[in-house]
Amino acid sequence: NAGVMQNPRHLVRRRGQEARLRCSPMKGHSHVYWYRQLPEEGLKFMVYLQKENIIDESGMPKERFSAEFPKEGPSILRIQQVVRGDSAAYFCASSRLGLRTTDTQYFGPGTRLTVL
Amino acid sequence: SQKIEQNSEALNIQEGKTATLTCNYTNYSPAYLQWYRQDPGRGPVFLLLIRENEKEKRKERLKVTFDTTLKQSLFHITASQPADSATYLCALDEGNTDKLIFGTGTRLQVFP
Repeated sequence: NAGVMQNPRHLVRRRGQEARLRCSPMKGHSHVYWYRQLPEEGLKFMVYLQKENIIDESGMPKERFSAEFPKEGPSILRIQQVVRGDSAAYFCASSRLGLRTTDTQYFGPGTRLTVL
Repeated sequence: SQKIEQNSEALNIQEGKTATLTCNYTNYSPAYLQWYRQDPGRGPVFLLLIRENEKEKRKERLKVTFDTTLKQSLFHITASQPADSATYLCALDEGNTDKLIFGTGTRLQVFP
């Protein structure tokens, strides 16, 4: 049973380009969470999605950032017109049930985005 | 303001000793608190969850306590080994949401 998959593992973009990060949850998991981790800082919640629905996007910047979790295929975190401050590790996690049920979430290996 | 605080300084202990890590929070009323381990360049790995009505939870060499009066959780690793060296993160729920709030983590170094 494969764990949470994220790709690419490393992504380099120039300022103004788009970054597209992909996350495939564990088999049987329909809840996906995206976090951002800056150097020397903790994980910051960005967005929580279930299949085809955004449930909570309170941690995501209002501009340039968007997320989706289509019926088929991986969840996508999209960052348009990247700036240097977007450089960070982006982690995806998935769970079978929502976290209110205290279900365990499993993290992927992360995508390290570097903006030049 | 709401805060979760973990000791930002690294904890260095000798192999075989018990490591104790602290997580303090203010202005939250979590239903549960979780501890994760994170190795460099990798995603966090879930270790233990403790609910607000539980005082203590154990799993092999790990023990977690949760004091809702002090607003503090302690994480213990007994008989520590060099392989336990990693960053340990605490996280709590934001009350009736599906959102986890993480502390900044404490780096543990166990030397032989």
